[in-house]
Amino acid sequence: GDSVTQMEGPVTLSEEAFLTINCTYTATGYPSLFWYVQYPGEGLQLLLKATKADDKGSNKGFEATYRKETTSFHLEKGSVQVSDSAVYFCALSDPGDYKLSFGAGTTVTVRA
Amino acid sequence: EAQVTQNPRYLITVTGKKLTVTCSQNMNHEYMSWYRQDPGLGLRQIYYSMNVEVTDKGDVPEGYKVSRKEKRNFPLILESPSPNQTSLYFCASSSIGPAKNIQYFGAGTRLSVL
Repeated sequence: GDSVTQMEGPVTLSEEAFLTINCTYTATGYPSLFWYVQYPGEGLQLLLKATKADDKGSNKGFEATYRKETTSFHLEKGSVQVSDSAVYFCALSDPGDYKLSFGAGTTVTVRA
Repeated sequence: EAQVTQNPRYLITVTGKKLTVTCSQNMNHEYMSWYRQDPGLGLRQIYYSMNVEVTDKGDVPEGYKVSRKEKRNFPLILESPSPNQTSLYFCASSSIGPAKNIQYFGAGTRLSVL
């Protein structure tokens, strides 16, 4: 079955540091890929998505590129802020399905 | 404002006492689902519904029931809760069609079963 593996946290950074969270996946076919973010005490929000190979999703300074050859969808941000402190989830869904398969989540803490 | 509303946000109960967690969305979405979130496991789907009166099991359905009598509501029922159902629960909804898979999540219900 489908699965998503993302780097374990927690990750602690200083403000303006570069952030990378690795995500790799296993799926049959060509899934859609997502990053969701969960701020403290809140539900998950879609951060960005990509639906086909080489697509780049971007939002709020975050970027991720759908790499089919390496089955990866790594999340990056060039300069993090304290407000980026959250749990980040990589997820996928198959073309014919609405279910999201999630990674375990990575907790990111940004210190001023 | 588009939203998915879950109630209650926090719940402490005892083993075997039936409970219901409500979920309501105001976006006229066809698809609704329930997930549970556990440390180190991410979110796992419990049940989902493609439309009114259409429900199906997700990956971890044991010990749960759902119903979909109205399009906007999708309650999660634990008829005899057990301690291993202590978890953080999320309801989600999305439309069916080109915008599918942009799922909207509720704020979560933290359940403790003693």
